[in-house]
Amino acid sequence: EVQLVQSGAEVKKPGESLKISCKGSGFPFANTWIGWVRQKPGKGLEWMGIIFGGDSDTRYSPSFQGQVTISADKSINTAYLQWSSLKASDTAMYYCARRSIGGRPTDYWGQGTLVTVSS
Amino acid sequence: EIVLTQSPGTLSLSPGERATLSCGASQTISRTYLAWYQQRPGQAPRLLVYDTSSRATGIPDRFSGSGSGTDFTLTISRLEPEDFAVYYCQHYGSSILTFGGGTKLEI
Repeated sequence: EVQLVQSGAEVKKPGESLKISCKGSGFPFANTWIGWVRQKPGKGLEWMGIIFGGDSDTRYSPSFQGQVTISADKSINTAYLQWSSLKASDTAMYYCARRSIGGRPTDYWGQGTLVTVSS
Repeated sequence: EIVLTQSPGTLSLSPGERATLSCGASQTISRTYLAWYQQRPGQAPRLLVYDTSSRATGIPDRFSGSGSGTDFTLTISRLEPEDFAVYYCQHYGSSILTFGGGTKLEI
């Protein structure tokens, strides 16, 4: 069974750093792309970027380039999304999603990680 | 970057009725790279339709997709109570995927 399990909710202060995770199982992580999607409260879905599990080839959406870092550790089938200095505007639900090779859609999604940034 | 515009923003219908949701692209896109998702409150998005008209695994046949060029449609033939949710279209023709703004389907 394909699963993406994300780390738990986080409450942080502005300026703090954060790294959230997404662990895959039931599929060949090293031969799969994992994307990240932001959803601000009451708003729509925003594509942040994507990483290939096998070699960590990473592609960022222009809106998020330089704002976050996406990484992966194929030895533990886990992708990460991190911030070096959080802002209140980073408050959102963050989803990871699997994208199989060959230009496929994002077919399996994690349950989401809620990040709240507040002083 | 391709921009997807969904209409209407909100659609108010009753169970048993037919729903037609639209997704317009800022330029011609391949039918191969257009998907639809459903998001219920408090849940992650779920893939409904990919390649414009192929239903994902386990999706009931009351959901159907169509379209070409710049105009795409998701049709729900007879609404069930669990279908009232937010629907998003997605273009996945490159490594930078894009989503439409969503259509809220409400009772």
